[in-house]
Amino acid sequence: GIQVEQSPPDLILQEGANSTLRCNFSDSVNNLQWFHQNPWGQLINLFYIPSGTKQNGRLSATTVATERYSLLYISSSQTTDSGVYFCAVRETSGSRLTFGEGTQLTVNP
Amino acid sequence: KAGVTQTPRYLIKTRGQQVTLSCSPISGHRSVSWYQQTPGQGLQFLFEYFSETQRNKGNFPGRFSGRQFSNSRSEMNVSTLELGDSALYLCASSLAAGAYEQYFGPGTRLTVT
Repeated sequence: GIQVEQSPPDLILQEGANSTLRCNFSDSVNNLQWFHQNPWGQLINLFYIPSGTKQNGRLSATTVATERYSLLYISSSQTTDSGVYFCAVRETSGSRLTFGEGTQLTVNP
Repeated sequence: KAGVTQTPRYLIKTRGQQVTLSCSPISGHRSVSWYQQTPGQGLQFLFEYFSETQRNKGNFPGRFSGRQFSNSRSEMNVSTLELGDSALYLCASSLAAGAYEQYFGPGTRLTVT
């Protein structure tokens, strides 16, 4: 099956800093989503981005499908950005989302 | 529009018992998928249902089963519970089967003692 690798596994920032999270995947995909898992466990949709670039406030994402990676940018980070960020992909030939291990982000005041 | 709802939110069961979890998708969504999240294994796919048919199943033993009703609501059942079944069970809905955006519910946290 498809492999999904996220980096870095852990990231500690000061409030106001910028960060880039990376997601590499091993095969062609027709769905790529970024999620933020809140402290209660719910996965919050950030982006649905199988290709191209999208922006939503301080967050933006880029997926280069031909090179099999996606980047999530967080600018001017806030303490409320803390949590685990997951990348999930769906193989072109498959019907399930495969998740990466996640990036644990901690933003300190 | 209401989001994905899951019941119950928390559950404590004893080894050997069985459990049924419920998921109501977003109105108009016809595909429901289930995932298990544990600290050791991360997020793993359990099954996907569309139009009351199971389209795909993950690598889980036969103790894990599910079904989907005509109103797209879904249930999953775990029989003969084991300690290792303690996990957060997440349900996701999407418009249809295929490369559609998935939206997740708040999850059911199951503890097996």
